[in-house]
Parts: sequence; C-alpha cells; structure tokens
Amino acid sequence: DIQMTQSPSSLSASVGDRVTITCRASQGISNYLAWYQQKPGKVPKLLIYAASTLQSGVPSRFSGSGSGTDFTLTISSLQPEDVATYYCQKYNSAPLFGGGTKVEIK
Amino acid sequence: QVQLQESGPGLVKPSETLSLTCAVSGYSISSGYYWGWIRQPPGKGLEWIGSIYHSGSTYYNPSLKSRVTISVDTSKNQFSLKLSSVTAADTAVYYCARENYGDYGWFDPWGQGTLVTVSS
Repeated sequence: DIQMTQSPSSLSASVGDRVTITCRASQGISNYLAWYQQKPGKVPKLLIYAASTLQSGVPSRFSGSGSGTDFTLTISSLQPEDVATYYCQKYNSAPLFGGGTKVEIK
Repeated sequence: QVQLQESGPGLVKPSETLSLTCAVSGYSISSGYYWGWIRQPPGKGLEWIGSIYHSGSTYYNPSLKSRVTISVDTSKNQFSLKLSSVTAADTAVYYCARENYGDYGWFDPWGQGTLVTVSS
C-alpha cells in the first residue's frame, strides 16, 4: 500500500517567511496530488490539485510542485491568516491523506 | 454554487450502526462525479471512508470496507453513509464532499461536517 508522509509535522515561522512543506509518496503517483488547508475548527479547503494547479480564489503566495514521489507546498510569504494544518492527498488510486503539517506563527 | 450538508444522529451507541446523509444542492448528483465521505477524529488527521458514483458504483477504504455501506438517492439528490459495529474509535467529525477529476480525485467542495460521538 502507498504511504503518504508529510514533513515536518509542525513548524513555527515568522510573518513574511518562506515556508515549505514536503509530502512524500512511498510509490510514484505522477502528479495526482492535492493540498488542503484546515484552519482550527474549520472545514478543509482545497488549495492545489494536480500537484501545482492553484484552485480558484487561493492567494498566489501558495504554490505546489513535484511529481512522482516528492512534492512540496510553498507559502512564499507567511501571513497570520495562514495559521492552519496542511494536508496532502494522493488520488492516483484510492484517496489517501498525509498526516498533516501544523503551521504556526513565531 | 454546489453546497453539501451532512445530517444524522450526533450520538451512537457502541456496536450500533452510524447513519449519515449528505444533501447536495446547486448540482444534480445524476450529472456526474463521485461523492465521498471523509472523517476526522478529534485532534487527528483526515481519513477517506469511501465514495459513490451516481450510478451506485462504490469504492471503499480497505481498512473500513467490511463495515461501510454508501448509497445514493438521485431522486432526493443525496447520498448516505452507514458504518456498522461502531466503537469509540469511530468518534469523529464526518464530512461529505464532491470528488473531482475521474475515478479518483480531489475533494471540493466539502460539507460543514457533523460530529458523531460513539458512547453508551
């Protein structure tokens, strides 16, 4: 079975910092990867699909890259409203979410 | 604008069956897409439960497959989840969502979620 591993599990960064979250698949999944943002007590929100396609309405400071087994979500300039847990999800076959990365402001 | 709304009991006794319904508005389920259920135990991550097509074709998370049944009622534009033999480990917020792309996909939009507690 494919495993989806996110790292780090949590991070703390300053406003304006560039933040990178990694998602690794145990087998190649081409570009069948999505990223979600979940703010505390809220519903998960789709940010990116097909590894790098920004969902409509999502700020351009979010970007995604990668293919095969290694993927990244980058926030180019961290804002206070970006405090959230971020999840990757593969969909080359049965959906599977990564364990999440909690982003906090330092 | 597609909207989804979960409904069902917030409290289920151990060993009983959890039943939830997701009402879809702004889009006809019969027009296509898979429709899925995802859950999130308190303080934990997201777990996909299963998905259904308007034709009734389903696929389930292998770890839950023996206990899960998902059905669709196109006349009411809704789909439902049944999870049998529940335990405290099934306590979670349950979300329904549209699954985009093809046979498998990303989830968007999502319902607001409903907390189901398993307790006697």
